[in-house]
Amino acid sequence: NAGVTQTPKFRVLKTGQSMTLLCAQDMNHEYMYWYRQDPGMGLRLIHYSVGEGTTAKGEVPDGYNVSRLKKQNFLLGLESAAPSQTSVYFCASSYGKGSGSPGELFFGEGSRLTVL
Amino acid sequence: AQSVTQPDIHITVSEGASLELRCNYSYGATPYLFWYVQSPGQGLQLLLKYFSGDTLVQGIKGFEAEFKRSQSSFNLRKPSVHWSDAAEYFCAVLDITGGGNKLTFGTGTQLKVEL
Repeated sequence: NAGVTQTPKFRVLKTGQSMTLLCAQDMNHEYMYWYRQDPGMGLRLIHYSVGEGTTAKGEVPDGYNVSRLKKQNFLLGLESAAPSQTSVYFCASSYGKGSGSPGELFFGEGSRLTVL
Repeated sequence: AQSVTQPDIHITVSEGASLELRCNYSYGATPYLFWYVQSPGQGLQLLLKYFSGDTLVQGIKGFEAEFKRSQSSFNLRKPSVHWSDAAEYFCAVLDITGGGNKLTFGTGTQLKVEL
């Protein structure tokens, strides 16, 4: 029972390099999210998606792009990585509109990214 | 805009002692509130949630939380802490504006359990 799977789990980048984080969920969830977690700041929403082919900005979207070409996948891209993007990134998914349990998110185990 | 405040960054309790983690929220309407737990190196897991009705809600692992509208609080409690409860705890409020059922999280409380 995989749930939400993130790859890679660890990555080290140099400033200016690009990379993509992949999130895959097998629960047929409509909504998907990317959060970043930094010490003392909790989790902050980067981007989210309410369905295949849709994306929207969250609280801290600058420097990131996302795509949701397939319902089960949600990709987070960094076009030109900066040291300020060193963080732990979490993907989450949830049932969509009309869900009996809005706000119940299922999280992946995180991807630790270091930008030198 | 909605916000969540967790005033305690770190809390240490002895195993078997009671626990209360504080959470205050700011939200214009009736809030949907949550507590999530994060074990080291793991993602977050839902402990419990409050939507409406009974202001005392029960969750998994023996946790409960009480919604107090007059105090804008949603504190998490456990009568007797176990060593395995050591983790980081996050309070969150649901934001349904613009779609997406987004959660706004507090900054978290790190719980240490002394044996």
